[in-house]
Amino acid sequence: AQTVTQSQPEMSVQEAETVTLSCTYDTSENNYYLFWYKQPPSRQMILVIRQEAYKQQNATENRFSVNFQKAAKSFSLKISDSQLGDTAMYFCAFMPHSGYALNFGKGTSLLVTP
Amino acid sequence: SQTIHQWPATLVQPVGSPLSLECTVEGTSNPNLYWYRQAAGRGLQLLFYSVGIGQISSEVPQNLSASRPQDRQFILSSKKLLLSDSGFYLCAHGSRGGIGQPQHFGDGTRLSIL
Repeated sequence: AQTVTQSQPEMSVQEAETVTLSCTYDTSENNYYLFWYKQPPSRQMILVIRQEAYKQQNATENRFSVNFQKAAKSFSLKISDSQLGDTAMYFCAFMPHSGYALNFGKGTSLLVTP
Repeated sequence: SQTIHQWPATLVQPVGSPLSLECTVEGTSNPNLYWYRQAAGRGLQLLFYSVGIGQISSEVPQNLSASRPQDRQFILSSKKLLLSDSGFYLCAHGSRGGIGQPQHFGDGTRLSIL
């Protein structure tokens, strides 16, 4: 079974600053997929970014980028130029190549302050 | 474009009452469909997934059940609700055969059991 660990329950950052959210996972598989989802106060789960494990290049999506370290089984999310609208719960998720389901971490609550 | 509808948005039910939550998807055919539950302060837990009409896989034994009577309809049910069934229920869809493809979520149903 795969486990996903987010060791930071809460974080805060000032507007326009950069913040990094941590995620580690445990798996015996070689091929898999990693995701970051954002859940704002409205509770809708929104896909932020996706990474394929067999790709060495780190995924980026506008102000969001990841630092994927396969050997260390680490998948951190960097948010640059933080905006007030980035305030949300952020979930790291793992999907094995052999399966359909997402395994989620417990989330990190991010607060962006003016 | 693909959209996913979930209803109701909120629901308050007494212990022992039945439950029916509905989810429908538009703009896609043959999707994989998922039901997740999010307890307070925790990540998402996969309850059921379906890769086709009448095909249901259960991830967690409980007093809930799921059905897929039509290609783009997914229903979560219970005959008798327990206090522990309280939580936020999210329906999601993903591409059929799309290994590693992201799942897209509905707006969720907040279920409170009294």
